[in-house]
Order: sequence, then C-alpha cells, then structure tokens
Amino acid sequence: GAGVSQSPSNKVTEKGKDVELRCDPISGHTALYWYRQSLGQGLEFLIYFQGNSAPDKSGLPSDRFSAERTGGSVSTLTIQRTQQEDSAVYLCASSPQTSGGTYQETQYFGPGTRLLVL
Amino acid sequence: AQSVAQPEDQVNVAEGNPLTVKCTYSVSGNPYLFWYVQYPNRGLQFLLKYITGDNLVKGSYGFEAEFNKSQTSFHLKKPSALVSDSALYFCAVRVFDAGNMLTFGGGTRLMVKP
Repeated sequence: GAGVSQSPSNKVTEKGKDVELRCDPISGHTALYWYRQSLGQGLEFLIYFQGNSAPDKSGLPSDRFSAERTGGSVSTLTIQRTQQEDSAVYLCASSPQTSGGTYQETQYFGPGTRLLVL
Repeated sequence: AQSVAQPEDQVNVAEGNPLTVKCTYSVSGNPYLFWYVQYPNRGLQFLLKYITGDNLVKGSYGFEAEFNKSQTSFHLKKPSALVSDSALYFCAVRVFDAGNMLTFGGGTRLMVKP
C-alpha cells in the first residue's frame, strides 16, 4: 500500500490483559516511530527505530510497554497488563533516511489504533 | 528540552476569510518545524515543514507558514478558509541531535463556518 497501515483499527480489552498493536510502514522507510494520543496528555512520543540501530525507548511510560521491529519493517507495540490509563489512540509513523539525515525528513502517520481498556 | 505551544484551543473563522493558527516553540538549537492536520478518526496528515532557507513555507491545500526566529513562532496561515478546512491542527518541532522524535503542541481546533 501507499501509506502506513495499522491494525487493528479499534481494540477493546479488559484491564489486566495484554494487547499487541501492529504497524506496517511505508515500503523503503528506514525509520519507524510510535506515538500515543490521549485526551489528557496530547501527542506523546513512545519509541523510535532506525534501521538496525538500538531503538530509542525514552518515551515508553512504563516497563509494561515494549516494541519490536522485525526485519526492519513491521513493528509490534505490546502493552502488558493493560490499565485504564492506557486507553488512547496509538499512532505509528515512518520516514525515509536521505543524505540529509532523518531530522529533515517528514514523518508519515498511519490511521492509528484506538485502544479502550475497560 | 524542547516544547511547542499552541495558545488557542479553538479558532473560529468564516468561510472565505483569512485564517491564522498560532504556534510558538522553545528549543536550544536550530528547529525543524512541522504542521500536521487531523480529521476525525484519522491519523495525522502532513501539511508543510520548515527546514532551512526561505522563511515562508508553502504547503498542501493552500496553507503556508512563516518561520520567525526572533519571535520563535511558526504560525499557519491560509488566505481564504474553506468549510472543509475544519479540523484539528498540530504544530511540531524537532531539533538536530536532540532525538528523532517530534514534540507536538496541544493542538488547535479550527472551525470554519459557512
């Protein structure tokens, strides 16, 4: 596809359950980001992957959150033992890396996964 | 640490009138600035960015923004608003060598009335 895709589009889970959210970046994009959008906190950075480098996990809110990126493409964000405060829209973005470096590059966002923890 | 402020939660404008959505930033270093738009139940769509060069940046759908270094601002503008411009607008900043993530403002809801 032409854009970033995410699945599922909506997820309802019970408190304490684990959830997995998937992101398929734009083909050829080496950088992948996860953000969270919630009413109280706005848009927050979670984690960043660039090629084969170690990910930047500085935005993960707790050790219940983890993410992996397999084969430099698809990424999965896992939330263990979900809490009600995890309810939010989880957005994935990807960007290319050119000679100018990733700082100049535009991040292209997927439609998001809306997570509701009951 | 870098931060972005969008001082207006909502901007109301009549169709056909010019619109401005304000954004100011605070960074240590040279900023890379971005505007995104979000329609209901959709992800963020890129509008425009300032990297270097001309302070006036033109983007998608007739939008433009002016980088003002002395005022640390990057206001989004459009000469003539459309009802279809009604959406949530986010300003974001990234600073070289300060992490690859975007730091977003809180968002401004633009309402264009016929």
